[in-house]
Amino acid sequence: GESVGLHLPTLSVQEGDNSIINCAYSNSASDYFIWYKQESGKGPQFIIDIRSNMDKRQGQRVTVLLNKTVKHLSLQIAATQPGDSAVYFCAVIGGSYIPTFGRGTSLIVHP
Amino acid sequence: DVKVTQSSRYLVKRTGEKVFLECVQDMDHENMFWYRQDPGLGLRLIYFSYDVKMKEKGDIPEGYSVSREKKERFSLILESASTNQTSMYLCASSFSAPNYEQYFGPGTRLTVT
Repeated sequence: GESVGLHLPTLSVQEGDNSIINCAYSNSASDYFIWYKQESGKGPQFIIDIRSNMDKRQGQRVTVLLNKTVKHLSLQIAATQPGDSAVYFCAVIGGSYIPTFGRGTSLIVHP
Repeated sequence: DVKVTQSSRYLVKRTGEKVFLECVQDMDHENMFWYRQDPGLGLRLIYFSYDVKMKEKGDIPEGYSVSREKKERFSLILESASTNQTSMYLCASSFSAPNYEQYFGPGTRLTVT
């Protein structure tokens, strides 16, 4: 089965810095990857996704990088703002509709 | 906007009570899921359903059952609540084709005393 790990439980950054949150996965057949943001008291919300035929995808202030060689993906948040403070999860899917979730990284943004 | 709603944000129940958590989605998704979320353990899948009246066990089904009588509604049942079932419960839904993201509800914080 899939396992998802290699995360920092907590990442502290200053407002305006760039943030990088990492995930590693184990199954080389995994082909769909999602980042979720979970604010306090809310359910996880979709941020950005990437499929295995890509190695980079950009959204508004967010970029996801996928390195299939080392089975690693990262979420980069540019110019981090206090509103970005949340727990960030990666989810990995390998051809089914059931994701395997990482344990999450709590991003703390200091003003 | 996709909407997944859960019947309660907070619940307090006594040990041994039967507890019902309900989830409703409005996107005509085939799949629905129940997770529990505990500090340090991430999201753990309890049950999922890929069609009406169909269900499959997830990673931690013990002590739980589910019901899906209508496509938009998925219920989680704690037959006899115990203190170790105190947790945040999250419902999610998705399309049945592979590689589609899940949409989550706001969660139910259940405390069993």
